[in-house]
Amino acid sequence: QQQVRQSPQSLTVWEGETAILNCSYEDSTFNYFPWYQQFPGEGPALLISISSVSDKKEDGRFTIFFNKREKKLSLHITDSQPGDSATYFCAAHASSSFSKLVFGQGTSLSVVP
Amino acid sequence: EAAVTQSPRNKVAVTGGKVTLSCNQTNNHNNMYWYRQDTGHGLRLIHYSYGAGSTEKGDIPDGYKASRPSQENFSLILELATPSQTSVYFCASGAGLGGYEQYFGPGTRLTVL
Repeated sequence: QQQVRQSPQSLTVWEGETAILNCSYEDSTFNYFPWYQQFPGEGPALLISISSVSDKKEDGRFTIFFNKREKKLSLHITDSQPGDSATYFCAAHASSSFSKLVFGQGTSLSVVP
Repeated sequence: EAAVTQSPRNKVAVTGGKVTLSCNQTNNHNNMYWYRQDTGHGLRLIHYSYGAGSTEKGDIPDGYKASRPSQENFSLILELATPSQTSVYFCASGAGLGGYEQYFGPGTRLTVL
């Protein structure tokens, strides 16, 4: 069964530090990896995404690093702010699944002032 | 303006009762999805649709039905609600046709007593 795993389950960093959220997968047909950010009481919102042909994607303070050989990726949040406190989901799309996403279980990030 | 809306936002139902969760999108997206979110499980796909009149089973369809009467509307139906269906339910829309991004509604918190 297709699986996406995230670690750690929860993470606390100080304001200004870099938070690193990890994601791994098993299915080699996965070709697109979006990260979603979810605040309490809200739905997930697309934050940043990367395709399997790239090894890095940057958007402001958010950067995805992708290692296709090891089937791992990570989301780096530099200069973390209290407003970044949220749950982050890694997801994956398989080329065979036509527009379906498989989600990891999420990482809850707390940024302490 | 919110492009994906859900109603109701909160619902308390009795075991054995019928529950209908509604979703409306103004993105003019072909694809729509229903997920449930439970602690430790991330987002799990229940049903999805490629367009008006179509519904497909997701990863956890048992106990749920879906209806897509129009491009804009997608409903999730629990014919005989059970306490194990207590959860937060999210609807999402996606362009499909190679567009993998999904856009989520605010969620419905369902409690089955």
